[in-house]
Amino acid sequence: DIQMTQSPSSLSASLGDRVTITCRASQDIGNYLTWFQQKPGKSPRRMIYGATNLAAGVPSRFSGSRSGSDYSLTISSLESEDVADYHCLQSIQYPLTFGSGTKLEI
Amino acid sequence: QVQLTESGPGLVHPSETLSLTCTVSGFSLTGYSVYWVRQPSGKGLEWMGRMRYNGDTSYNSALKSRLSISRDTSKNQVFLKMNSLQTDDTGTYYCTRDGGGPFAYWGQGTLVTVSS
Repeated sequence: DIQMTQSPSSLSASLGDRVTITCRASQDIGNYLTWFQQKPGKSPRRMIYGATNLAAGVPSRFSGSRSGSDYSLTISSLESEDVADYHCLQSIQYPLTFGSGTKLEI
Repeated sequence: QVQLTESGPGLVHPSETLSLTCTVSGFSLTGYSVYWVRQPSGKGLEWMGRMRYNGDTSYNSALKSRLSISRDTSKNQVFLKMNSLQTDDTGTYYCTRDGGGPFAYWGQGTLVTVSS
């Protein structure tokens, strides 16, 4: 199975900060990487797909990038509504596997 | 519009079988695959399995011996059955569908508690 190592597990930042969350894949996953945001008591919401594509309705302060086997989700200027858990998912190979999640706080 | 709605018993006793239903609308099960994802309380997401648009199924190997996914296309429903439930199976269970990429649409989730 492909392992997705997500870091950090938690992150405290200030409003307006630039925030980056990373997932490292244990095998080549190409650009088959998706990022989700999950607020307390809610279902996950897809934010980024194909490593770099912004999902519909997602604010432009969110972006995704790739450097080798490292995939990053960046929030350019943190807003209070961005407080949430963030998860990555690889979908190149079954079983699909998620990262362990990042709790983003202000 | 696309909607997925999970339903289930809420409480299951240890060693019993969990039965969940995902009822969909706004699309056909013969055109799209539906996936099950769960989240133990306070933990991360785990892919459980999928019902492919053509009726094929795939399962997480860690759950395969206990898990079965089926569907009724006439009722727009996908079913999950998992046996021999234990307390660490407690959590929220979601069904989800692709849309221009993985898992664009999610149900609201259904909380399953395994307890005697």
